Amino acid sequence: EAGVAQSPRYKIIEKRQSVAFWCNPISGHATLYWYQQILGQGPKLLIQFQNNGVVDDSQLPKDRFSAERLKGVDSTLKIQPAKLEDSAVYLCASSWGSNTGELFFGEGSRLTVL
Amino acid sequence: GNSVTQMEGPVTLSEEAFLTINCTYTATGYPSLFWYVQYPGEGLQLLLKATKADDKGSNKGFEATYRKETTSFHLEKGSVQVSDSAVYFCALPIQGAQKLVFGQGTRLTINP
Repeated sequence: EAGVAQSPRYKIIEKRQSVAFWCNPISGHATLYWYQQILGQGPKLLIQFQNNGVVDDSQLPKDRFSAERLKGVDSTLKIQPAKLEDSAVYLCASSWGSNTGELFFGEGSRLTVL
Repeated sequence: GNSVTQMEGPVTLSEEAFLTINCTYTATGYPSLFWYVQYPGEGLQLLLKATKADDKGSNKGFEATYRKETTSFHLEKGSVQVSDSAVYFCALPIQGAQKLVFGQGTRLTINP
């Protein structure tokens, strides 16, 4: 079974530029999450999708971050304009959406904002 | 709301030493509890879980017991190996089981 795929693995940009990250979840997983992991901290949930609808985006800085999940499969997370404090690893995870609580994570996309 | 607190790292041990990484939680009710592990260069993966009080989760020689009396879910391993070097995260669900909140992580380094 293929795992959660993310790209790019690494991205370096200057502040005020834009960046986009892509995620392909495990086939059949209804729920998709984007987490932000700042160095030395635990992952923090940014947004949760159930199929192609947003379940929770309360922690997403909507003035600069946006995310979509077209057709309930792939997802894209965009940051525009980027700030220095956005430097982090962006983790995509997916789950069946049942009550098991187990999430399957991709390897992450490491963003450095200079 | 639900939250979790982990012991701060980093933790450095010699091979075959006994490991304990502390985790305490605050929660409404008795949610499932999880330990995730992040090996160098890889994504987080589930290490073990416990779904109710007094349950013991185990995997790869690691164990953790869900203790409601002390609101703890400490991770233990009797004899660590160099390959156990990783970052370990304690986690529990919020607002139902489809969303997890994570501790800050504990970096473990095992020296041969």
